[in-house]
Amino acid sequence: QVHLVQSGAEVKKPGSSVKVSCKASGDTSNIYAISWVRQAPGQGLEWMGSIIDVLGRTHYKQNFQGRVTFTADEVSKTAYMELNSVRLEDTAVYFCTRGLIAGHMKFWGQGTLVVVSS
Amino acid sequence: DIQVTQSPASLSASVGDRVTITCQASQDINNYLNWFQQKPGQPPKLLMYDASTLETGVPSRFSGSGSGTNFTFTITSLRPEDIATYYCQQYQNLPPEVTFGPGTKVDLK
Repeated sequence: QVHLVQSGAEVKKPGSSVKVSCKASGDTSNIYAISWVRQAPGQGLEWMGSIIDVLGRTHYKQNFQGRVTFTADEVSKTAYMELNSVRLEDTAVYFCTRGLIAGHMKFWGQGTLVVVSS
Repeated sequence: DIQVTQSPASLSASVGDRVTITCQASQDINNYLNWFQQKPGQPPKLLMYDASTLETGVPSRFSGSGSGTNFTFTITSLRPEDIATYYCQQYQNLPPEVTFGPGTKVDLK
């Protein structure tokens, strides 16, 4: 079993950056894919992209390309999502997930609320 | 990009009812279709993967079927703890692409 714990809520000004962490505990040796999913208030789920393998190769959804960066440190079992130039519409709960492949989101963090407000 | 539609957007049912949700992909996705349950204030929970395989520990009243572009998710006998929003999700592996359906909110009549 794998448990994911994310960093706490953030309040950001438009144009700034936010970095969310996701620390895993348990056996992560065969679940390399780390995906980030966000959910705006009262809305559905949106996949942002994934780290797809143990080499740390990333794939970003096109509309986040150039504005988001995923990193992962397998020693500390911590993944990070950094979103730059945040906008009001980036206000959402951000989830990290892990699974064998990007599409198999078996384990989820508790979510991190990011509020963008002027 | 592959689009995913889901219906109905919401439904009301009684305890013991059979509940069916459908999901349609904009192109053939083989069986690369998962189903999630999300309760308010919680992260989604993976219930079903690859269209019809029940995730470990998920009750057998949940089932899924379909292949290609049309998929169905069924709760054979609704229980109060099943009240939630259900999402289908398609995925492609190389390169990765994931799309969620818009969700179906299930509540008690």
